Amino acid sequence: NAGVMQNPRHLVRRRGQEARLRCSPMKGHSHVYWYRQLPEEGLKFMVYLQKENIIDESGMPKERFSAEFPKEGPSILRIQQVVRGDSAAYFCASSPSSSVGGGNTIYFGEGSWLTVV
Amino acid sequence: GESVGLHLPTLSVQEGDNSIINCAYSNSASDYFIWYKQESGKGPQFIIDIRSNMDKRQGQRVTVLLNKTVKHLSLQIAATQPGDSAVYFCAENRRDTDKLIFGTGTRLQVFP
Repeated sequence: NAGVMQNPRHLVRRRGQEARLRCSPMKGHSHVYWYRQLPEEGLKFMVYLQKENIIDESGMPKERFSAEFPKEGPSILRIQQVVRGDSAAYFCASSPSSSVGGGNTIYFGEGSWLTVV
Repeated sequence: GESVGLHLPTLSVQEGDNSIINCAYSNSASDYFIWYKQESGKGPQFIIDIRSNMDKRQGQRVTVLLNKTVKHLSLQIAATQPGDSAVYFCAENRRDTDKLIFGTGTRLQVFP
């Protein structure tokens, strides 16, 4: 079984450019989460999506960040006009449905490491 | 300027000893908890989970204990091996939400 697939694994962008991170959930999973991790810190929730629907974006910065999960294709986390503070590891996770804890564990991908120079 | 991350608490154990990693959670409404293991350069890997209607759950070489009275969670690893070296995170799911909130993590170092 393929796990949660993220690409690119490593991405370097100059300040002001755009970064696009992609995530394909596990087979059969319809819910996607994006988390951000700074070095030596825990994972911070950013956004939770179902197909074509944003459920909870309470952790997303108000500007420059957006996420989508279209009917077809992977989920995309988009960061416009990147700044050095955006440098971090971005992790995607998926679950089969809602109700985490109702038997629906969240599984993570291997992450995308963004470096802004 | 650059942000400086907090230094993770570190637990150092000798190979073969048992390890106990602790986690305090903040929200009494949390009803589902997961322990994840994260190796350098990799994503969090599910280890074991527990629901709030339980106080103990065992897996292979791992045991999770939940004390709801003091909002404390622990992960016990029996016969710790070098391959167990990693950062361990506890995560809580708050009732009526569908997201996990992560703790700050503990680095486990296993010495031969």
